[in-house]
This record gives sequence, structure tokens and C-alpha cells, in this order.
Amino acid sequence: EVKLLESGGGLVQPGGSLRLSCAGSGFTSSSYAMSWVRQAPGKGLEWVSGISGSGGTTDYADSGKGRFTISRDNSRNTLYLQMNSLRAEDTAVYYCAKVPRRSGTYYFDYWGQGTLVTVSS
Amino acid sequence: EIVLTQSPGTLSLSPGERATLSCRASQSVSSNNLAWYQQKPGQAPRLLIYGASSRATGIPDRFSGSGSGTDFTLTISRLEPEDFAAYYCQQYGSSPCSFGQGTKLEIK
Repeated sequence: EVKLLESGGGLVQPGGSLRLSCAGSGFTSSSYAMSWVRQAPGKGLEWVSGISGSGGTTDYADSGKGRFTISRDNSRNTLYLQMNSLRAEDTAVYYCAKVPRRSGTYYFDYWGQGTLVTVSS
Repeated sequence: EIVLTQSPGTLSLSPGERATLSCRASQSVSSNNLAWYQQKPGQAPRLLIYGASSRATGIPDRFSGSGSGTDFTLTISRLEPEDFAAYYCQQYGSSPCSFGQGTKLEIK
């Protein structure tokens, strides 16, 4: 059974940093691309960043370019999102989501339960 | 970036009725690479449909997807109480992928 468990969310001041983690189980990490998708309170879904199964290819939405860094450790089956220079508009629940293939833009077949990031002074 | 517009914003129906949700793209979606998700309050989204019309594993056959190009539809043939939720479409035919703003399906 595929499971994804995010952690690392919390309250951070504007301009601060946070690192999110997503621990996966039930699948071979290197065989699947992964993404982060966020949802601001009461709003819709927004793709944030994606990474290939090998970790060699990454992509970012314009909203996070230059501020967010996605990475993965396949030996630990863990996905990361380093978020710097955080803004109030980054406040959201952040979901990690599994892609059913090794690379590329695709749909998401499994999602974690999400971790809340609140950017406020 | 492809913009997806879902309609209606809110749909009020009763259990047993048929629900039809629309998703319109600002440009043609490559290879009908369109997915639908269901999200209940406080929960993560769940994949329902991919490739515009293929049901994901474990999804009941009352859920069906159709459409091509710029116009797509999610149909729920007979609403069950557990189907009242928010629904989002997503295109993954071009990068970056994008989501519609959602349709809330509520009990009438």
C-alpha cells in the first residue's frame, strides 16, 4: 500500500525559511516522479514543484522559482521542499503527490495528508 | 500556461440525481491529458479519472469522464451521499500542469 506522510510545516515569519519532508512507503522511490502541490485556505490546488525519479530533473512554478528547492533522497524514500524568503501568500497546506511514471508532467495517483505552512508575523 | 475554468462553481443536487461538471481549457489539452480529483473537507484530493476517461483504481463506475480538446465533463450517474465534495480538473498535457478552480457539489 502506497503511503505518503508530510512533516515540517508550521508558523514562520515573513522572510523566513522552512523545510518540508515527505516520507514514502509501499513503492520504489526512484521509479516515480514526485511533486509538491499546495492549497491556500479555502482556495483551489496549485502545483508548486516537481522532481524526476532520479532527482536529476526539477521544475518549479513561477511563484516559487528562486525561493524553493525540491530534492529527494531515494535511499530514504523521502522528498523535500526547502522554502526560503517566505511570503504571506505562501500560506497553504502543502501536499506531496506521487506521479505514476519516472519523469515529466503528469497526473497524481497518490497524495499525502498535507502539512500546513503559515507565514505570518 | 493553460487556464482551466470549471462550471458551475457550486452545484446543488439530491442523492440519486445525475451530476454533470464541466472543465473548459483556454487551449487544446494535448492527448486528452486531463484528470479529475475529488476532495472532501480536511482530506487530500483523490484521483478519480485520468486520460479524460479512464477511471483510477477502485473508483466506482458511476463516475465517468468524457471530452476532448478544450471541453471535458465529469459525470456522476447517481449521486451517493459520499459524493458530495469538491471536484477539480487538472491538465497535464503541457508544462506547467494546472488545475481548475473547482466545483463544489452540495446536497440540495
